Amino acid sequence: EVQLVESGGGLVKPGGSLRLSCAVSGFTFSSYTMNWVRQAPGKGLEWVSSIDSSSNYIYYADSVKGRFTISRDYAKDSLFLQMNSLRADDTAVYYCARMAPGGWDLDYWGQGTLVTVSS
Amino acid sequence: QSVLTQPPSVSAAPGQSVTISCSGSSSNIGNNYVSWYQQLPGTAPKLLIYDSNKRPSGIPDRFSGSKSGTSATLGITGLQTGDEADYYCGTWDSSLSAVIFGGGTRLTVL
Repeated sequence: EVQLVESGGGLVKPGGSLRLSCAVSGFTFSSYTMNWVRQAPGKGLEWVSSIDSSSNYIYYADSVKGRFTISRDYAKDSLFLQMNSLRADDTAVYYCARMAPGGWDLDYWGQGTLVTVSS
Repeated sequence: QSVLTQPPSVSAAPGQSVTISCSGSSSNIGNNYVSWYQQLPGTAPKLLIYDSNKRPSGIPDRFSGSKSGTSATLGITGLQTGDEADYYCGTWDSSLSAVIFGGGTRLTVL
């Protein structure tokens, strides 16, 4: 069974940092592009970042470029999102999601972890 | 303002049918497959339609997808109260080098 479990969310002050983790199981982690998608309270989905299976191709939304860093650990089957210089508008539930091969479909999602940026 | 445009809400009675539109441009829908996601209240999104018109295993055939030019449509027949959810379209935008989503459509089954 495919599972994605996020952790690391919490309350952080503006300007602070947080590192999110996503532990995966049930599939060959090294074969899939992985993503972070966020959803602000009461708002729609916003894609944050993608990292391909070999970590060679990495993309960021303009809203987080230069502040967030996506990475993956193949030995631990884990995806990470290092978030620096956090702002109030980064407050959201952050989901990790697997991208299906050969397309842009996000076929499996985690349950999400809430990040709140507030003083 | 989302790159993909969806109606904010649609509604219909149980048993009826509904369609949700998703409008984009040549840099996204016009040259890429479209996905549709269902987000039930308080839960993570779930893939409903991929490659514009295919259903993952376990998704009933009441759900269908189509694409024409720079627009895509999600169709739901035989509406059930359990279909009440937010629905999002998504695709890749070649100009932005980004995954993009529509603003979402809330379906109410009256």
